[in-house]
Amino acid sequence: KQEVTQIPAALSVPEGENLVLNCSFTDSAIYNLQWFRQDPGKGLTSLLLIQSSQREQTSGRLNASLDKSSGRSTLYIAASQPGDSATYLCAVLFMYSGGGADGLTFGKGTHLIIQP
Amino acid sequence: EAQVTQNPRYLITVTGKKLTVTCSQNMNHEYMSWYRQDPGLGLRQIYYSMNVEVTDKGDVPEGYKVSRKEKRNFPLILESPSPNQTSLYFCASRGPGPQGYTFGSGTRLTVV
Repeated sequence: KQEVTQIPAALSVPEGENLVLNCSFTDSAIYNLQWFRQDPGKGLTSLLLIQSSQREQTSGRLNASLDKSSGRSTLYIAASQPGDSATYLCAVLFMYSGGGADGLTFGKGTHLIIQP
Repeated sequence: EAQVTQNPRYLITVTGKKLTVTCSQNMNHEYMSWYRQDPGLGLRQIYYSMNVEVTDKGDVPEGYKVSRKEKRNFPLILESPSPNQTSLYFCASRGPGPQGYTFGSGTRLTVV
């Protein structure tokens, strides 16, 4: 069964710092990997999607990398701002041989606080 | 605007009173899923559907039913809600191939 782990569980840094959030998964047979942002009590906003054949994706100050063979992904946030404070979730879409199940397996998230 | 719409956003109900949470997407997506989110447990899949009339259980299906009679709609049905189904529920959909999932805004359900 696929398991997704995110480290650290919580992180508090001063504004302006560059930071890295980590995600690991146990089964490398993934279809893609998504990073989401969730504000308290709110829905999930997709930040970046990395296909299994890709190594990285960039959007503005965000850069996500994927190393499928080692089961790792990182989300790099450059020049952090207080508005980046949220919970960041990593999720993998698992590939089942012969089709069948579909859906995301989520990590429990990294709760990020950017201090002004 | 491409979106997944859930209703209601908030719901308080009593134990045993049947309820339905609706989910609709306007992107002609084949794949749809329901998740629940609980503190300390994260997001877990309840049911998924790969197309019309094709549904299957996720990790935590007990106490829930779904139907997929039309491509755009995927309602979640709680026939006899219990307090342990108090949670934040999300519906999501994606298109074919390795596309990402789009999530609805969530439904906060409280069963008393």
